[in-house]
Amino acid sequence: DAGVIQSPRHEVTEMGQEVTLRCKPISGHDYLFWYRQTMMRGLELLIYFNNNVPIDDSGMPEDRFSAKMPNASFSTLKIQPSEPRDSAVYFCASSLWGEAFFGQGTRLTVV
Amino acid sequence: GENVEQHPSTLSVQEGDSAVIKCTYSDSASNYFPWYKQELGKGPQLIIDIRSNVGEKKDQRIAVTLNKTAKHFSLHITETQPEDSAVYFCAAGSGGYQKVTFGTGTKLQVIP
Repeated sequence: DAGVIQSPRHEVTEMGQEVTLRCKPISGHDYLFWYRQTMMRGLELLIYFNNNVPIDDSGMPEDRFSAKMPNASFSTLKIQPSEPRDSAVYFCASSLWGEAFFGQGTRLTVV
Repeated sequence: GENVEQHPSTLSVQEGDSAVIKCTYSDSASNYFPWYKQELGKGPQLIIDIRSNVGEKKDQRIAVTLNKTAKHFSLHITETQPEDSAVYFCAAGSGGYQKVTFGTGTKLQVIP
C-alpha cells in the first residue's frame, strides 16, 4: 500500500477563498483523523471518523471548517472562507488497530 | 480533557550518547502511550508505544518506561546516531488510538 495520500502537498490561497484538502486513507483502515500542526499549538486533532461516520468534531475550530468522508477511501477537509490564521500543516491519518499512519501533510498558506 | 506536557523542547547530544525525553499526563484513565518521530517535511511516524499493563518496553535502541502512579512516561534512545535527529512527540489516550492527545514535541539534534 502507498500509505495515506494527501493532496495537494502545498496550497497557497488568498484570504476569503475556499480551500479543500483531500485524503485517501490506507485501504482497510476504519478510522480516519484530521490534524492541524502549528508552531504555537502543536498537533491538534480536528475531527475523526469511524467507518465513514464523524465521531468527534470537537476540535474543529470554527464553522468555517467542515469535513466529509463520503466513502471508505476518501475524505475532505474544507475551509470556507479561509483566513491567514488558518495557515498550518494539515495531516490526515488512518488506523485499524492502535497505530495511526500519517500522510505527508498539506502545507496551507493563506495570504 | 487530557493534558500532556513534554520536556525538554530541544535536546542536543553527541553521537553515541543517550537521549531521554519525558512526558506527564493528567487523565488517570489514559492507558495508551505512543511515541512518534517526525522528520522534516514528513508526517509523524510511530516508533514505539506502551500500554498501561506494561511498565517498560524495548525495541533495539529505543525504550519507553511508564509510571502510572506518577502519571509520567519517558522515551530513552541509546547510542544515538545522526539519523535520530528529528522531532519526537509523546501522546496519551484511552481505549485504542482513537483520541490521543499529543505533547508539544522535542527537537532532538544528534551531533556527529
